[in-house]
Amino acid sequence: EIVLTQSPATLSLSPGERATLSCRASQSVANFLAWYQQKPGQAPRLLIYDASNRATGIPARFSGSGSGTDFTLTINSLEPEDFAVYYCQQRSNWPPKYTFGQGTKLEIK
Amino acid sequence: QVQLVESGGGLVKPGGSLRLSCAASGFIFSDHYMTWIRQAPGKGLEWVSFISYSGSAIYYEDSVMGRFTISRDNAKNSVYLQMDSLRAEDTAVYYCAREKRRGNFFDYWGQGTLVTVSS
Repeated sequence: EIVLTQSPATLSLSPGERATLSCRASQSVANFLAWYQQKPGQAPRLLIYDASNRATGIPARFSGSGSGTDFTLTINSLEPEDFAVYYCQQRSNWPPKYTFGQGTKLEIK
Repeated sequence: QVQLVESGGGLVKPGGSLRLSCAASGFIFSDHYMTWIRQAPGKGLEWVSFISYSGSAIYYEDSVMGRFTISRDNAKNSVYLQMDSLRAEDTAVYYCAREKRRGNFFDYWGQGTLVTVSS
C-alpha cells in the first residue's frame, strides 16, 4: 500500500504570503497525484490533478508540481478564503486502492 | 450541472445496519467509476469502496470488507452502500464521489451524510 505523508501538519501564515505544502509518497506514483481543499462543514474540492493541472474554476494562484515521490502544492498570495485543510491523494492502478495524506491545516497567523 | 446527493445516514446501534444512497444527476452516470469515502469526526479522509461502470468490479478497504456492500443502479443513476455489523469506529461523514473518467481522482463529491454508531 502506498502511504502519503504530508508536511507540515499545520502551517500558519498571513494573507498575502505564499504557502508551500508537501506530499511525499512511499513509492513512486508517477504524476498521478491530486490535491483537495476542505473547509469546515464542506466536502473536499478538487484543486489539482495529475500533479500539476488545475481543476476547472481553480484560481491561478494555486499550482502543483512534482513527480515520482515528492509533490508540492503552492498557493501564491494567500486570500482569506484559502485558509482550510489540504489533502493529497493517489490511486493505485489496479485493483484500485485510494490513499489520502493526513492533511495540512493552513491557518491564519 | 453535476450533482451528487447522499441520503440514509443516521444514528444506529453497534451491530446494526444502514443503507446509504447517492443520487447522481447532470452527467452520464454509467460512464464513471463511483466511490464512497468517509471522514471520522475531526479526522482525515478514508476511501471505503469502489464500483466500476457496470458494477462488475468492486473493491473495499480492508476494515469494511465483509461488512459493507456497494452497488449501483445505472437506470436510477444511483450508487448505494449497505453497511452491516456497524461498529463505533464506522462513525463518520460518508461522501460519495465521482472518479473523473480516465482519471484517478475525484472531480465531484456529494455533501456527505453523517453515520453515528452508538448505543
